[in-house]
Amino acid sequence: SYVLTQPPSVSVAPGKTARITCGGNNIGSKSVHWYQQKPGQAPVLVIYYDSDRPSGIPERFSGSNSGNTATLTISRVEAGDEADYYCQVWDSSSDHPRGVFGTGTKVTVL
Amino acid sequence: EVQLVESGGGLVQPGGSLRLSCAASGFTVSSNYMSWVRQAPGKGLEWVSVIYSGGSTYYADSVKGRFTISRDNSKNTLYLQMNSLRAEDTAVYYCAREGGVIAPMDVWGKGTTVTVSS
Repeated sequence: SYVLTQPPSVSVAPGKTARITCGGNNIGSKSVHWYQQKPGQAPVLVIYYDSDRPSGIPERFSGSNSGNTATLTISRVEAGDEADYYCQVWDSSSDHPRGVFGTGTKVTVL
Repeated sequence: EVQLVESGGGLVQPGGSLRLSCAASGFTVSSNYMSWVRQAPGKGLEWVSVIYSGGSTYYADSVKGRFTISRDNSKNTLYLQMNSLRAEDTAVYYCAREGGVIAPMDVWGKGTTVTVSS
C-alpha cells in the first residue's frame, strides 16, 4: 500500500517560514492535497492539486510537489497557524482507488 | 450554504452494529464523490470509504467486508453501515465531499463519535 511520511513536528517562530514535507514513492506523479486541523475541529483544505489555494486561505500558504517529496510552506507564520497538517493523495496503483493520508505534522508556533 | 452534518454515533459493544448518517445541504450528494474519514483518539486521519457519483464504492482494507457506504438521493444523505465493530473502530467519523477522481475533500462535516467498548 502507498505510504505518505511526514515529520511528527515542526516548530517555528512567529514571522518565520515553516516547511512541512510529505514523502512518498514518486509522489510527484500524484496530486497532493493539504489539510489543516485544529484541536477539536474538522480538517480544513488549505492547498489542493499540489499548489492551488481555496478561497479564504491566506497567500502565506503555498505548496509544491516534485520527485518523492511534496512540501507545504507557511510564510510569515502566525499564532493562528498552530495546528496539525496532513497531506493526502488518491492511490490507484492497487486493484481499486484508495485515499491515503500522511502521518500528520504538528506545527508549534514558538 | 454548503454543509454536512453527521449523526448516529454512540457507544456500541464489540461485534455490534451502527449506522452513521451524513445529511448534506447546499449541494447534491449524488452528483459528487463522497467519503468517510475517521480519526482514532490522538491519532491521524484515516480514509475509510468512498462512493462515486456513478455509484461505485471502495473501502479501506481495515473495514472491507464489515462497512457499507450508501446514499439516499431523496434525502440527500450519505450513510455508513458498520457491522462487526471492533475496539479499533473507535474514532470520530467525518464525511467529506470531493469533486471527482483524485479531487480534494473540500467540504467536511464536524464529525460523529463512535466508541466500541464493552
